[in-house]
Amino acid sequence: EAGVAQSPRYKIIEKRQSVAFWCNPISGHATLYWYQQILGQGPKLLIQFQNNGVVDDSQLPKDRFSAERLKGVDSTLKIQPAKLEDSAVYLCASSRAREKLFFGSGTQLSVL
Amino acid sequence: DAKTTQPPSMDCAEGRAANLPCNHSTISGNEYVYWYRQIHSQGPQYIIHGLKNNETNEMASLIITEDRKSSTLILPHATLRDTAVYYCIVRVAQSNTGKLIFGQGTTLQVKP
Repeated sequence: EAGVAQSPRYKIIEKRQSVAFWCNPISGHATLYWYQQILGQGPKLLIQFQNNGVVDDSQLPKDRFSAERLKGVDSTLKIQPAKLEDSAVYLCASSRAREKLFFGSGTQLSVL
Repeated sequence: DAKTTQPPSMDCAEGRAANLPCNHSTISGNEYVYWYRQIHSQGPQYIIHGLKNNETNEMASLIITEDRKSSTLILPHATLRDTAVYYCIVRVAQSNTGKLIFGQGTTLQVKP
């Protein structure tokens, strides 16, 4: 079974630029999550989708972050404009409803 | 979701059992105990979960105290590849959100 695919693996941008991350979940997984992991900390949930609907986005900084999952499969997470404190690893995970999560390897973002 | 407390770091000799403790004194009756681990530069990986009874799978054993206020993850024969950050999480498995809230975890260093 193929795992959760994420791209790019690394991204370096300057502050105030925009950036987008892409995630392809495991086939058949209706639930998709985006997490932010700052160095030395545990992952923090940003947003959770059930199919193409948002279940929880309470921790998403909506003034600069946006996410979509238009067809209930792939998802993109965007930051515009980026700040220095957005430097982190962005992890995507997927699951069947109410089951264990499978994580991708993440995108490491450096904002200079 | 209840919070968990874990020691920040532990060492273990290769080939010996690694016992990772977790306190979750405010756990609710419908909350499960989950363990994930994160090897360097990878996304978190599911290990095991349980509600009341002890659980064992090919990766580890989970021992939950009778009052459910604490648990121990046991890696029976630790190898160098088990060096990782281990997260103990309590979660309502049957909830509609099913989200994982990560703490700081325990960094396990397996030494030759």
